[in-house]
Amino acid sequence: GQQLNQSPQSMFIQEGEDVSMNCTSSSIFNTWLWYKQDPGEGPVLLIALYKAGELTSNGRLTAQFGITRKDSFLNISASIPSDVGIYFCAGLNTGTASKLTFGTGTRLQVTL
Amino acid sequence: DTAVSQTPKYLVTQMGNDKSIKCEQNLGHDTMYWYKQDSKKFLKIMFSYNNKELIINETVPNRFSPKSPDKAHLNLHINSLELGDSAVYFCASSTGEMAQYFGPGTRLTVL
Repeated sequence: GQQLNQSPQSMFIQEGEDVSMNCTSSSIFNTWLWYKQDPGEGPVLLIALYKAGELTSNGRLTAQFGITRKDSFLNISASIPSDVGIYFCAGLNTGTASKLTFGTGTRLQVTL
Repeated sequence: DTAVSQTPKYLVTQMGNDKSIKCEQNLGHDTMYWYKQDSKKFLKIMFSYNNKELIINETVPNRFSPKSPDKAHLNLHINSLELGDSAVYFCASSTGEMAQYFGPGTRLTVL
C-alpha cells in the first residue's frame, strides 16, 4: 500500500531546540493530519490541515499544508522532554471513504 | 471521559485460537475504523464502518471479521490466529471524512 515519505526518520535534539520534519507524497491529498504517538499509546491528533497553503499553530507546534497538496511540514519550537515520541503525518482524500494514508514516522529524542 | 476505548489492552494467545477485540467511542462520531501497526510502526487501515455499514475492507484475510452493532461500537473478531497476526491493533473514529481519533491500542501476541 501507499506510504508517505517522512523525514528525518529519527532525530536527537537538545531541550530548547526547534524541530522541523516534513512529509511528501507522490499524489495529492485534500487533508493533512499530524499525530504523535507515545510508547504503548495510540496516535494523538496534533494538528489538522484542510486547505492548501494553510498554516496552523497549536501551542509550540506549527504545521503547513503545502500549496501543491503533496507535502506538509511540522515545526516544534523550544522542545521539551515530553516532546519525545514518534510523529506521523497522514493524508486523507475526500471521497475515498476516509482512508488515511500514514507516513513512515519521525522518532524524536530530546536530551537535557 | 470522552474518548475511544479498546479492550483488552494486551492479548496473548496460541496459534489457531479465535479472539475478539472490542472498541467503543463516545464522541458521537458516525465512522469507525480498525488499523494495524506492525513492528516497524507502520500504520495501515484494515476496515472502516460508517453508520454500521462496511465502507472499507482493505484486502484483509477473511479470518478477520469486523462487526458494528451500533454507531458507537466496532468489534474485531479474528479466527484461526497466525503468528503474523501479532501486532498492535488500533480503533479510531471520526465524523465523516474529518480528522480521526485513535484508541489506546490492543497489543496482540500470537505464540
